[in-house]
Amino acid sequence: DAGVTQSPTHLIKTRGQQVTLRCSPKSGHDTVSWYQQALGQGPQFIFQYYEEEERQRGNFPDRFSGHQFPNYSSELNVNALLLGDSALYLCASSRTREAYNEQFFGPGTRLTVL
Amino acid sequence: AQSVTQPDIHITVSEGASLELRCNYSYGATPYLFWYVQSPGQGLQLLLKYFSGDTLVQGIKGFEAEFKRSQSSFNLRKPSVHWSDAAEYFCAVALRGGYNKLIFGAGTRLAVHP
Repeated sequence: DAGVTQSPTHLIKTRGQQVTLRCSPKSGHDTVSWYQQALGQGPQFIFQYYEEEERQRGNFPDRFSGHQFPNYSSELNVNALLLGDSALYLCASSRTREAYNEQFFGPGTRLTVL
Repeated sequence: AQSVTQPDIHITVSEGASLELRCNYSYGATPYLFWYVQSPGQGLQLLLKYFSGDTLVQGIKGFEAEFKRSQSSFNLRKPSVHWSDAAEYFCAVALRGGYNKLIFGAGTRLAVHP
């Protein structure tokens, strides 16, 4: 079992650009959540996808959007990048979306905005 | 305000010494409680979780945690720390009756002296 995989590992962009991050969930999982982890902070929930729809959203602007595909993989898109978007972006998957279900995390994508 | 607090930003212990990392939460109803560990360059790994029942829970890597309702706390402990335990530790909650959106504390960075 490959676990949760994310690509790319690192990414460097400039302000105003757009970025797409990708996530493949653990086998058998249908729910994907995205988190932003700024340096020295705990992860912050961005949004969650289930059945190809955004089901929950944290306190992030509309510049952050996503998608889930029929094979449960997911993308996170960020438009009009700001310096403050520099962070580690973590993808997590779970068997279902109930609160008691363990979330398995990928290694993350390190985004640097210059 | 609803929150998860980890009072200690950084803790240093000697190898072989005991460890206790503190976590307090502020929610109306007791949430589901989790401890995750993050090693450099790695994603988050679940150490243990508390849903109900016995207030002392055992986890992986020799860790345990005790839930104290009266103190709204869920402290992580280990009797004897190994150098490989050096990492960042995050306490997290998920609200009962909701979906698995994790709310994290700011983390405690553990350093281990030989």
